[in-house]
Amino acid sequence: DSGVTQTPKHLITATGQRVTLRCSPRSGDLSVYWYQQSLDQGLQFLIQYYNGEERAKGNILERFSAQQFPDLHSELNLSSLELGDSALYFCASSVEPSGNEQFFGPGTRLTVL
Amino acid sequence: AQKITQTQPGMFVQEKEAVTLDCTYDTSDPSYGLFWYKQPSSGEMIFLIYQGSYDQQNATEGRYSLNFQKARKSANLVISASQLGDSAMYFCAMREKTSNTGKLIFGQGTTLQVKP
Repeated sequence: DSGVTQTPKHLITATGQRVTLRCSPRSGDLSVYWYQQSLDQGLQFLIQYYNGEERAKGNILERFSAQQFPDLHSELNLSSLELGDSALYFCASSVEPSGNEQFFGPGTRLTVL
Repeated sequence: AQKITQTQPGMFVQEKEAVTLDCTYDTSDPSYGLFWYKQPSSGEMIFLIYQGSYDQQNATEGRYSLNFQKARKSANLVISASQLGDSAMYFCAMREKTSNTGKLIFGQGTTLQVKP
């Protein structure tokens, strides 16, 4: 158990819908990362937050947004869902923004029908 | 542009033998970190080992060691005395330190199957 929690574990929804994925980092970790794992694209970095502020942005679609709250948990919002958004979404956390040791959560498997 | 290449989509190894998983990388940043993660069939990502670009010695963690050849830009993972529980997908990843972020770039992964 990495100490990073993600909810829900599984999510099945329809095209056009909006969903929110939630992540709680390990105790003491200030940085949160979101990654997407799909068959087409492999594992891709989406976005990083550090202590509430956006730190780095990757290949995150405009339909996706994220935030990190004062209690350091983070949410990834996916809207206008398409079939291609079906993937495993990972949250990871680290103490420092440079993240030499990133601990991954169990992931949320999103299926868009 | 930074890139990680894992050329072995799948590998087999006999239990108790050693296996090497290949990883090459491309970056123009002189300061970077290299990582290996294991992803079992259950899906979670497990951190295995880290190597910094300026580290003088190859990293080791138990049965895992990283064969770091900087001039060749390779960072191969060596697993000694393979166990059945080592069957999983293995990902090599890189972080460019001058970006001062934790953004990881991953390779496509290698599936390892350990045969009894």
